Amino acid sequence: ETGVTQSPTHLIKTRGQQVTLRCSSQSGHNTVSWYQQALGQGPQFIFQYYREEENGRGNFPPRFSGLQFPNYSSELNVNALELDDSALYLCASSLDSRDTQYFGPGTRLTVL
Amino acid sequence: ILNVEQSPQSLHVQEGDSTNFTCSFPSSNFYALHWYRWETAKSPEALFVMTLNGDEKKKGRISATLNTKEGYSYLYIKGSQPEDSATYLCAFMENSGYALNFGKGTSLLVTP
Repeated sequence: ETGVTQSPTHLIKTRGQQVTLRCSSQSGHNTVSWYQQALGQGPQFIFQYYREEENGRGNFPPRFSGLQFPNYSSELNVNALELDDSALYLCASSLDSRDTQYFGPGTRLTVL
Repeated sequence: ILNVEQSPQSLHVQEGDSTNFTCSFPSSNFYALHWYRWETAKSPEALFVMTLNGDEKKKGRISATLNTKEGYSYLYIKGSQPEDSATYLCAFMENSGYALNFGKGTSLLVTP
């Protein structure tokens, strides 16, 4: 069952700007993971938050940061946007760190 | 970066045909193998989580097998229907992490 939502659906930014993407996890899920899917690639792991603490991080620079809130919402923040940041960003929630991850529909970010 | 490969990249079959895809992943440090179905403009949908060598899972006309010793999983669809048209993603989770490491997916088109 899914119940993960993301906003906005689409977003256009210019190089150097900052962006915040939002995710609402399924109720009761303590873990949220974020993924970036560039064109022609599979989703790439950015990081995971468990009970509001970063739990693990993929190969992404520090300008990618996140927050997780007690109300099962979370944010992905990207500073100093680059053209290569153009991608679909997916969030996924799960009961715990290694449980099945349930995905939202994604936010399409375009950096011009 | 863990190497997860999926083949074929795309597949076009007629309604009623049976088909199968392959996912290969590292055979060491295995924790779980996930299969997702992703229809255009929707959220990726979890199909199976497989953890044990020799696992076989079934959901309706879709089934999957797992060989952790040689590092591969097969997904089978029996009697394909147009509504099976989607991208099928596999994702490997290693024993020492929390990330899903995705392949690029197999895009299936089923025509009437």
